[in-house]
Amino acid sequence: EIVLTQSPGTLSLSPGERATLSCRASQSVSSSYLAWYQQKPGQAPRLLIYGASSRATGIPDRFSGSGSGTDFTLTISRLEPEDFAVYYCQQYGSSPPTFGPGTKVDIK
Amino acid sequence: EVQLVESGGGLVQPGGSLRLSCAASGFTFSSYAMHWVRQAPGKGLEYVSAISSNGGSTYYANSVKGRFTISRDNSKNTLYLQMGSLRAEDMAVYYCARAKGSGYYLPFDYWGQGTLVTVSS
Repeated sequence: EIVLTQSPGTLSLSPGERATLSCRASQSVSSSYLAWYQQKPGQAPRLLIYGASSRATGIPDRFSGSGSGTDFTLTISRLEPEDFAVYYCQQYGSSPPTFGPGTKVDIK
Repeated sequence: EVQLVESGGGLVQPGGSLRLSCAASGFTFSSYAMHWVRQAPGKGLEYVSAISSNGGSTYYANSVKGRFTISRDNSKNTLYLQMGSLRAEDMAVYYCARAKGSGYYLPFDYWGQGTLVTVSS
């Protein structure tokens, strides 16, 4: 199975700053079948990005995804107070779908 | 509005069984593959199982293979997860999630709120 590694484990930033989250796969992700999810405490995950760079319905354009092969990035251009959360990457191009361990974005 | 509502969680002894349900509304349930994902307390997301839109194909993570059974009733718009031989490591919040279409190789675009399964004597 494909193992995903996310870095950093925790990112401490202030509102208005830019956040750059990394996701690295143990082998190439088929057809860039890579998604990003946001999860806040006590809530279910929410799909942000799929296909490495396509925003899901209703997701603000401050969220963007990039990358291919084994290296992917989620960028939040200017952090809003509601963006402080845990972010997971997921590959869904091969079975089983796998998730990364998550990056927590907290307030500095 | 798409809604997924899980139920059936609770306290069960090691070795016991439990059936989770996920009631779907707001979309044509029979047109979408469905998944179960779990999250142990304070931990990350772990994939559990999948079922095709017509129920004819299923998939299980190695950690639950042979103990869990996924099924669906498209006439009732409901997804199920029958869990048996439960272990302490199965304790988690269980989420049902909708695939963004009928196929397996798709992201999960809607999630339920989760139901907690506690395995303890």
